[in-house]
Amino acid sequence: GENVEQHPSTLSVQEGDSAVIKCTYSDSASNYFPWYKQELGKGPQLIIDIRSNVGEKKDQRIAVTLNKTAKHFSLHITETQPEDSAVYFCAGGNTDKLIFGTGTRLQVFP
Amino acid sequence: DTAVSQTPKYLVTQMGNDKSIKCEQNLGHDTMYWYKQDSKKFLKIMFSYNNKELIINETVPNRFSPKSPDKAHLNLHINSLELGDSAVYFCASSQQTNTEAFFGQGTRLTVV
Repeated sequence: GENVEQHPSTLSVQEGDSAVIKCTYSDSASNYFPWYKQELGKGPQLIIDIRSNVGEKKDQRIAVTLNKTAKHFSLHITETQPEDSAVYFCAGGNTDKLIFGTGTRLQVFP
Repeated sequence: DTAVSQTPKYLVTQMGNDKSIKCEQNLGHDTMYWYKQDSKKFLKIMFSYNNKELIINETVPNRFSPKSPDKAHLNLHINSLELGDSAVYFCASSQQTNTEAFFGQGTRLTVV
Protein backbone atom coordinates (compact mmCIF):
# COMPACT_ATOMS: atom_id res chain seq x y z
CA GLY A 1 0.00 0.00 0.00
CA GLU A 2 0.93 3.65 -0.05
CA ASN A 3 3.60 4.65 2.43
CA VAL A 4 5.47 7.80 3.45
CA GLU A 5 8.69 7.36 5.40
CA GLN A 6 10.20 10.22 7.36
CA HIS A 7 13.66 10.68 8.88
CA PRO A 8 14.99 11.44 11.37
CA SER A 9 12.50 10.79 14.14
CA THR A 10 14.25 13.28 16.41
CA LEU A 11 16.54 16.18 15.55
CA SER A 12 18.36 18.51 17.90
CA VAL A 13 20.08 21.64 16.62
CA GLN A 14 21.63 24.76 18.06
CA GLU A 15 19.81 28.02 17.52
CA GLY A 16 20.90 29.55 14.23
CA ASP A 17 21.82 26.23 12.63
CA SER A 18 19.88 24.63 9.79
CA ALA A 19 17.58 21.62 10.11
CA VAL A 20 16.73 19.17 7.35
CA ILE A 21 13.97 16.56 7.44
CA LYS A 22 13.61 14.00 4.65
CA CYS A 23 10.69 11.96 3.38
CA THR A 24 10.19 9.30 0.75
CA TYR A 25 6.92 8.15 -0.75
CA SER A 26 5.89 5.00 -2.56
CA ASP A 27 2.83 6.01 -4.61
CA SER A 28 3.96 7.44 -7.94
CA ALA A 29 0.48 8.96 -8.36
CA SER A 30 1.14 11.34 -5.46
CA ASN A 31 1.15 14.95 -6.60
CA TYR A 32 0.77 16.99 -3.44
CA PHE A 33 3.32 17.18 -0.61
CA PRO A 34 2.51 19.37 2.40
CA TRP A 35 4.50 19.85 5.59
CA TYR A 36 2.76 20.34 8.91
CA LYS A 37 4.05 21.67 12.23
CA GLN A 38 2.46 20.43 15.44
CA GLU A 39 3.11 22.30 18.66
CA LEU A 40 2.41 20.77 22.04
CA GLY A 41 -1.29 20.40 22.75
CA LYS A 42 -2.34 21.68 19.33
CA GLY A 43 -3.40 20.29 16.00
CA PRO A 44 -1.01 20.14 13.04
CA GLN A 45 -0.74 23.34 11.02
CA LEU A 46 0.41 23.68 7.41
CA ILE A 47 3.71 25.51 7.04
CA ILE A 48 4.51 24.91 3.38
CA ASP A 49 3.43 22.65 0.54
CA ILE A 50 4.68 21.73 -2.91
CA ARG A 51 3.08 20.14 -5.95
CA SER A 52 4.62 17.68 -8.34
CA ASN A 53 5.06 20.20 -11.13
CA VAL A 54 7.51 22.20 -8.99
CA GLY A 55 10.98 21.17 -7.80
CA GLU A 56 11.53 23.70 -5.05
CA LYS A 57 9.57 26.25 -3.05
CA LYS A 58 10.73 28.75 -0.47
CA ASP A 59 8.98 30.85 2.15
CA GLN A 60 11.34 32.96 4.24
CA ARG A 61 13.38 30.55 6.40
CA ILE A 62 11.55 27.47 5.16
CA ALA A 63 12.14 25.65 1.88
CA VAL A 64 10.96 22.38 0.43
CA THR A 65 12.54 20.39 -2.40
CA LEU A 66 10.96 17.59 -4.39
CA ASN A 67 12.67 14.91 -6.47
CA LYS A 68 9.90 13.08 -8.34
CA THR A 69 12.23 10.58 -9.96
CA ALA A 70 13.63 9.43 -6.63
CA LYS A 71 10.28 9.94 -4.87
CA HIS A 72 11.67 11.98 -2.06
CA PHE A 73 11.14 15.46 -0.70
CA SER A 74 12.80 17.45 2.05
CA LEU A 75 12.10 20.32 4.42
CA HIS A 76 14.87 22.81 5.11
CA ILE A 77 14.69 25.29 7.96
CA THR A 78 17.48 27.86 8.10
CA GLU A 79 18.49 30.08 11.01
CA THR A 80 16.49 27.97 13.42
CA GLN A 81 14.90 29.61 16.46
CA PRO A 82 13.65 28.07 19.73
CA GLU A 83 10.06 28.63 18.56
CA ASP A 84 10.73 26.24 15.67
CA SER A 85 10.76 23.44 18.25
CA ALA A 86 7.81 21.17 17.44
CA VAL A 87 6.88 17.92 15.72
CA TYR A 88 6.98 18.16 11.93
CA PHE A 89 5.03 15.89 9.60
CA CYS A 90 5.47 15.40 5.90
CA ALA A 91 2.61 14.03 3.83
CA GLY A 92 2.08 12.83 0.30
CA GLY A 93 -1.07 12.27 -1.65
CA ASN A 94 -3.43 13.12 -4.43
CA THR A 95 -7.16 13.67 -4.86
CA ASP A 96 -7.89 10.28 -3.24
CA LYS A 97 -6.05 10.52 0.05
CA LEU A 98 -3.15 12.04 1.98
CA ILE A 99 -0.68 9.82 3.84
CA PHE A 100 1.32 11.31 6.71
CA GLY A 101 4.90 10.48 7.63
CA THR A 102 5.79 9.32 11.13
CA GLY A 103 6.89 12.74 12.35
CA THR A 104 10.15 14.40 13.40
CA ARG A 105 10.56 15.97 16.80
CA LEU A 106 12.75 19.04 16.31
CA GLN A 107 14.40 20.65 19.30
CA VAL A 108 16.21 23.95 18.90
CA PHE A 109 18.49 24.78 21.81
CA PRO A 110 19.24 28.43 22.58
CA ASP B 1 -13.51 32.56 14.97
CA THR B 2 -12.33 28.98 15.26
CA ALA B 3 -12.10 27.35 11.83
CA VAL B 4 -12.38 23.70 12.94
CA SER B 5 -13.74 23.10 16.40
CA GLN B 6 -14.14 19.77 18.11
CA THR B 7 -15.64 18.89 21.47
CA PRO B 8 -14.83 17.79 24.04
CA LYS B 9 -11.12 18.57 24.37
CA TYR B 10 -10.65 15.86 26.99
CA LEU B 11 -12.67 12.69 27.48
CA VAL B 12 -12.04 10.12 30.20
CA THR B 13 -14.30 7.11 30.23
CA GLN B 14 -14.48 3.49 31.29
CA MET B 15 -14.04 0.45 29.08
CA GLY B 16 -17.24 -0.68 27.45
CA ASN B 17 -18.84 2.76 27.36
CA ASP B 18 -20.12 4.52 24.22
CA LYS B 19 -18.96 8.07 23.53
CA SER B 20 -19.17 10.71 20.81
CA ILE B 21 -16.84 13.46 19.64
CA LYS B 22 -18.30 16.36 17.69
CA CYS B 23 -16.66 18.40 14.95
CA GLU B 24 -17.74 21.50 13.09
CA GLN B 25 -15.99 23.60 10.46
CA ASN B 26 -16.97 27.10 9.36
CA LEU B 27 -14.65 27.25 6.35
CA GLY B 28 -17.16 26.08 3.77
CA HIS B 29 -14.99 23.06 2.94
CA ASP B 30 -16.36 20.05 1.13
CA THR B 31 -14.12 17.43 2.74
CA MET B 32 -13.80 16.47 6.40
CA TYR B 33 -11.62 13.89 8.14
CA TRP B 34 -10.99 12.07 11.35
CA TYR B 35 -7.41 11.23 12.30
CA LYS B 36 -6.07 9.20 15.21
CA GLN B 37 -2.75 10.14 16.81
CA ASP B 38 -1.26 7.54 19.12
CA SER B 39 1.25 7.97 21.94
CA LYS B 40 4.13 7.82 19.45
CA LYS B 41 2.62 10.75 17.55
CA PHE B 42 1.78 8.65 14.48
CA LEU B 43 -1.04 10.40 12.63
CA LYS B 44 -3.35 7.98 10.82
CA ILE B 45 -6.42 8.78 8.80
CA MET B 46 -9.57 7.00 9.91
CA PHE B 47 -12.32 8.44 7.76
CA SER B 48 -12.80 10.96 5.00
CA TYR B 49 -16.13 12.48 3.99
CA ASN B 50 -16.88 14.59 0.93
CA ASN B 51 -20.18 16.44 0.85
CA LYS B 52 -21.60 14.18 3.57
CA GLU B 53 -20.56 11.00 1.75
CA LEU B 54 -18.00 8.51 3.06
CA ILE B 55 -14.92 8.45 0.83
CA ILE B 56 -12.30 6.69 2.93
CA ASN B 57 -12.66 4.12 5.69
CA GLU B 58 -9.20 2.97 6.66
CA THR B 59 -9.64 -0.46 8.24
CA VAL B 60 -11.16 1.04 11.35
CA PRO B 61 -13.13 -1.31 13.63
CA ASN B 62 -16.85 -1.00 13.06
CA ARG B 63 -17.17 0.17 16.67
CA PHE B 64 -16.24 3.54 15.17
CA SER B 65 -19.08 5.13 13.25
CA PRO B 66 -18.75 8.58 11.70
CA LYS B 67 -21.85 10.61 10.97
CA SER B 68 -22.09 13.70 8.80
CA PRO B 69 -25.47 15.41 9.21
CA ASP B 70 -24.35 18.18 6.87
CA LYS B 71 -21.25 19.39 5.07
CA ALA B 72 -20.06 21.40 8.07
CA HIS B 73 -20.25 18.63 10.65
CA LEU B 74 -18.57 15.27 11.06
CA ASN B 75 -19.14 13.50 14.35
CA LEU B 76 -17.42 10.36 15.57
CA HIS B 77 -19.28 7.82 17.67
CA ILE B 78 -17.39 5.01 19.37
CA ASN B 79 -19.12 1.96 20.83
CA SER B 80 -17.77 -0.44 23.45
CA LEU B 81 -14.62 1.55 24.13
CA GLU B 82 -11.39 -0.40 24.63
CA LEU B 83 -8.11 0.53 26.31
CA GLY B 84 -6.41 0.65 22.89
CA ASP B 85 -8.75 3.40 21.78
CA SER B 86 -6.90 5.83 24.04
CA ALA B 87 -5.35 8.45 21.75
CA VAL B 88 -5.79 11.99 20.52
CA TYR B 89 -8.42 12.25 17.80
CA PHE B 90 -8.21 15.10 15.33
CA CYS B 91 -10.91 16.39 13.07
CA ALA B 92 -9.82 18.25 9.95
CA SER B 93 -11.28 19.79 6.83
CA SER B 94 -10.07 20.86 3.42
CA GLN B 95 -11.59 22.05 0.18
CA GLN B 96 -10.16 19.00 -1.60
CA THR B 97 -7.93 16.13 -0.49
CA ASN B 98 -4.88 17.68 -2.12
CA THR B 99 -5.24 21.14 -0.62
CA GLU B 100 -4.43 22.55 2.81
CA ALA B 101 -6.12 20.71 5.66
CA PHE B 102 -7.14 22.64 8.75
CA PHE B 103 -7.04 20.66 11.97
CA GLY B 104 -9.05 21.02 15.13
CA GLN B 105 -7.32 21.21 18.50
CA GLY B 106 -7.80 17.50 19.13
CA THR B 107 -9.74 15.40 21.63
CA ARG B 108 -7.63 13.43 24.09
CA LEU B 109 -9.55 10.24 24.80
CA THR B 110 -8.47 8.16 27.78
CA VAL B 111 -10.14 4.80 28.36
CA VAL B 112 -9.66 3.39 31.85
